[in-house]
Amino acid sequence: KNQVEQSPQSLIILEGKNCTLQCNYTVSPFSNLRWYKQDTGRGPVSLTIMTFSENTKSNGRYTATLDADTKQSSLHITASQLSDSASYICVVRSSGGSYIPTFGRGTSLIVHP
Amino acid sequence: SQTIHQWPATLVQPVGSPLSLECTVEGTSNPNLYWYRQAAGRGLQLLFYSVGIGQISSEVPQNLSASRPQDRQFILSSKKLLLSDSGFYLCAWSDTNSVQETQYFGPGTRLLVL
Repeated sequence: KNQVEQSPQSLIILEGKNCTLQCNYTVSPFSNLRWYKQDTGRGPVSLTIMTFSENTKSNGRYTATLDADTKQSSLHITASQLSDSASYICVVRSSGGSYIPTFGRGTSLIVHP
Repeated sequence: SQTIHQWPATLVQPVGSPLSLECTVEGTSNPNLYWYRQAAGRGLQLLFYSVGIGQISSEVPQNLSASRPQDRQFILSSKKLLLSDSGFYLCAWSDTNSVQETQYFGPGTRLLVL
C-alpha cells in the first residue's frame, strides 16, 4: 500500500532559525515528490517538485532533498520568517498510471517572534 | 492564467440538510478535477476525481456525491449531511497534458454541520 509519513507532526521555532521537515514514502513505482505549503484556512500551494533523478531543489529559502534509494525527502527552511507558519505537506505520485497522488498528513510549523 | 474558484467560503448546516458545493476553473480546458476533505488536524482525503464531463470516480464510500455537468465545473453534493461531514473541502485541478501534473487548489469551503 502506498503511504507517505511525515515528521515531526508539529514544530515550533523562533524567527530566524532554520528547520528541517522529513518525509518517508513507500509509493512505488515512483514518479515525483512534491512539497506543498498550506496556510491556515487556505488551499495548499506547491513549493517544489522533484523527480527520480533530482537530489536537491531550491525555491528561495526552501530547499528540498530527495534520496530515492532510501525513499526519503526533506524540506529545509532557512532563516525562518513569521509567514512560514503553515502546514507543509509531502505528496508523492506514482508512475503507475494513477491520477491519484498519496498525501502525507503534514507538519504544522509555527514560527514565533 | 488559470484560476480556480470555490463557494461558499464558509457554510453552517444542520444535520440532515442537503449540501451543494461548487468549484469552477478558468483559463484551461479538459482539466482533471478533484474534491478533497481535510478534517481538523488531519491530512487531505481524496473524495472524488474526474477526468472528463460526466466521469466521476469515488475514492471513499460515503453519503457524498459529485457531478461534473460542464468541462470546468465540479459539484459536491449530499442529500443528508452527517455530523462527520464537517471539515474543510478543497477542490483542485491538474493539467492532463502535463507530465508533472501539479495540482492547483482552490481556496476551500469550511463546512460545519451542527
